[in-house]
Amino acid sequence: KQEVTQIPAALSVPEGENLVLNCSFTDSAIYNLQWFRQDPGKGLTSLLLIQSSQREQTSGRLNASLDKSSGRSTLYIAASQPGDSATYLCAVKGSGYSTLTFGKGTMLLVSP
Amino acid sequence: ETGVTQSPTHLIKTRGQQVTLRCSSQSGHNTVSWYQQALGQGPQFIFQYYREEENGRGNFPPRFSGLQFPNYSSELNVNALELDDSALYLCASSGANSYEQYFGPGTRLTVT
Repeated sequence: KQEVTQIPAALSVPEGENLVLNCSFTDSAIYNLQWFRQDPGKGLTSLLLIQSSQREQTSGRLNASLDKSSGRSTLYIAASQPGDSATYLCAVKGSGYSTLTFGKGTMLLVSP
Repeated sequence: ETGVTQSPTHLIKTRGQQVTLRCSSQSGHNTVSWYQQALGQGPQFIFQYYREEENGRGNFPPRFSGLQFPNYSSELNVNALELDDSALYLCASSGANSYEQYFGPGTRLTVT
């Protein structure tokens, strides 16, 4: 059974800092990995999707890396802003019909 | 292009009652997945529908059931509501050629 762990559970940083969120998964036989953002009480916004054959994806100030063999992914946020404050969720998809298995998320607070 | 929509936004039910939640998938998407997200947790997979048939189910009891319609919209039905069913229910759709999932805003269900 796939298990996804995210560290840290919560993170508080001053505006402008670069930061790294970590995600680990137990079964390396994944199809892809997605990073999501969730604002309080809201749905999920997809940030980046990395296919199993890829090593990283970039979008603006966000960069996600994937090391499938070690079961790890990181989300790097450059020059953090107060608007980045949210919960960040990592999810992996196995092969076939299987759907997403999520971590519990990292709650990020960026203070002005 | 219309995104994933869900209705209602919020609802309050009494233990033992039944509830139906609705989801309209993103245009062109034929697969719908439902997730339950308890407070402070990551989303948990309930089931998935592809072309009107259930093709995957998570660890949820049979009182959680669903439907997908010819236009690929979907319903989640929960019978005999329990207090622990209080959660944010998320619907996600994906297309035939991509496993990237796009989430709706969710329905907040409170069972009293």
